[in-house]
Amino acid sequence: SQQGEEDPQALSIQEGENATMNCSYKTSINNLQWYRQNSGRGLVHLILIRSNEREKHSGRLRVTLDTSKKSSSLLITASRAADTASYFCATDGDDYKLSFGAGTTVTVRA
Amino acid sequence: GAGVSQSPSNKVTEKGKDVELRCDPISGHTALYWYRQSLGQGLEFLIYFQGNSAPDKSGLPSDRFSAERTGGSVSTLTIQRTQQEDSAVYLCASSLGPTAGGNTIYFGEGSWLTVV
Repeated sequence: SQQGEEDPQALSIQEGENATMNCSYKTSINNLQWYRQNSGRGLVHLILIRSNEREKHSGRLRVTLDTSKKSSSLLITASRAADTASYFCATDGDDYKLSFGAGTTVTVRA
Repeated sequence: GAGVSQSPSNKVTEKGKDVELRCDPISGHTALYWYRQSLGQGLEFLIYFQGNSAPDKSGLPSDRFSAERTGGSVSTLTIQRTQQEDSAVYLCASSLGPTAGGNTIYFGEGSWLTVV
């Protein structure tokens, strides 16, 4: 079953603009992870944020986590054409299974 | 190896045939996962192996699906009597340990299965 749900489903932005996407989940989590997928193939891990963390940065990526609202956001700053991909959030609860949402498809226009 | 390796990359098979998909996890990773992704969809959990523990097969969609992990390393996902609805990308992933411990899951490039 899908626990994480990304919003919006699709996003189109101009190169250089920021892209923000959100993830909501239903049950308590240990960690939340964000992944990127290019062309429907393997997923690339971007950031892991623990349930006791509120914000994390990695290069041009910024992830926030609000456990009271059961939501997370991923911000990509100064987007590039190479950022065009699908982005997924994944959560784990009391078990080990990562549950993925349907993803946000980001298109960066040159 | 450096990453999770899957083979074949692409497989076209006739309806009713059996297929085997192989996954070679990152060396030293005790946890191994199989997920399935249909076109434009999220990932669907299939099965999880952790060390020598009994695998969690709760995500396998039918008894036509089975998986093994030999010697705590390489895993094979077998689909018997394939159906058209089995067409999807099958993704394997591995991690040092359970995700609850903050372990990152690393994915392979996937095996794209098309049943005609």
